[in-house]
Amino acid sequence: SAVISQKPSRDICQRGTSLTIQCQVDSQVTMMFWYRQQPGQSLTLIATANQGSEATYESGFVIDKFPISRPNLTFSTLTVSNMSPEDSSIYLCSVTGLAGVDTQYFGPGTRLTVL
Amino acid sequence: GENVEQHPSTLSVQEGDSAVIKCTYSDSASNYFPWYKQELGKGPQLIIDIRSNVGEKKDQRIAVTLNKTAKHFSLHITETQPEDSAVYFCAATYSGGGADGLTFGKGTHLIIQP
Repeated sequence: SAVISQKPSRDICQRGTSLTIQCQVDSQVTMMFWYRQQPGQSLTLIATANQGSEATYESGFVIDKFPISRPNLTFSTLTVSNMSPEDSSIYLCSVTGLAGVDTQYFGPGTRLTVL
Repeated sequence: GENVEQHPSTLSVQEGDSAVIKCTYSDSASNYFPWYKQELGKGPQLIIDIRSNVGEKKDQRIAVTLNKTAKHFSLHITETQPEDSAVYFCAATYSGGGADGLTFGKGTHLIIQP
């Protein structure tokens, strides 16, 4: 499988600010996704990052709050905008298209704390 | 949309014993069911997956079974070892040639007692 990296690995931010999280893969992939994992909870899909077009958001998530970019087949960013303490979570990117069409692999995550 | 239920939330077993985690899903269109292991401070790691055209799949000490009629699937770990201690998540999705995001269960904290 490929190497999936995320930057930053963790951050502590003040409310009202924004943070951009990067996801980099060392091979071209078909699909990239962003998930949120609140403390002690399961993973919830935020959006599908589409290469060259606008991301597809799940119910309850909007572009103004979580703008996403995917300029090429190996890189995507997720921005958490106008943060509040409720945004404190682990944010994970995942990719498919490496070993099979729908086998999904995850990055190490970005642990965000909002004060 | 899809809904995945996972039980138990916590499972404690003696080292060397077997562990079984069960999941049910709601959308009969779902056809791909992966299992992930997540250790503290790390991202989820795929350990095994199964597709709807298969009833069982095994990889060394790990096996997954799928009952499409009942819409449930289970993870079986035999001869458990201390390194099996982690949180395990089941997931489901419909894969129609492309790839869709996963719907996850709430997770099972597996504790292996020495």
